[in-house]
Amino acid sequence: DAGVTQSPTHLIKTRGQQVTLRCSPKSGHDTVSWYQQALGQGPQFIFQYYEEEERQRGNFPDRFSGHQFPNYSSELNVNALLLGDSALYLCASSALAGVNSGANVLTFGAGSRLTVL
Amino acid sequence: EDQVTQSPEALRLQEGESSSLNCSYTVSGLRGLFWYRQDPGKGPEFLFTLYSAGEEKEKERLKATLTKKESFLHITAPKPEDSATYLCAVQVVDSWGKFQFGAGTQVVVTP
Repeated sequence: DAGVTQSPTHLIKTRGQQVTLRCSPKSGHDTVSWYQQALGQGPQFIFQYYEEEERQRGNFPDRFSGHQFPNYSSELNVNALLLGDSALYLCASSALAGVNSGANVLTFGAGSRLTVL
Repeated sequence: EDQVTQSPEALRLQEGESSSLNCSYTVSGLRGLFWYRQDPGKGPEFLFTLYSAGEEKEKERLKATLTKKESFLHITAPKPEDSATYLCAVQVVDSWGKFQFGAGTQVVVTP
């Protein structure tokens, strides 16, 4: 059973460019979340998608946008790249629990390492 | 604002030398506290979920405990393969999916 798969694994961009990262969730999962992890830091929540809609968003500018497809896979788009966007971008999937039901475990992919020059 | 603080930032242990990692949290309402392990260049790997104060979970040499303000991850008689960064995260009540992570504790176990 494949877990969460992300592509590409590594990429290098220059300031001002745009990037698209892709994620396929674990089989049986319908919810996808994206996190940004800078070197030496914990993951920071970007947003979560469920039923092709953005359910919740963290403190990230509108340059960060996403999409979820009918097959539950997802894309993260970042426009007008800044040097500070260099990080490991993690996709995590889960089976959606109700807003006040038991906490749902996230399964993470290996990440996409973005370097902005 | 919800906060998660982990200490120490780094820990160097001899093989067999037991120790504990701390995760203190301030949240409006706890839905769950999670421990993850992360190896270099990889995504976090799930270890435990704790839901209420007094709860304990064990897996091999690891044991996680929870109080109303903090959680501990105890590593008993560690081996070099336990070397990793250990991340603590909280999910709050009335939150759809956001996990608030701490910065992690980097553990190195030497033979």
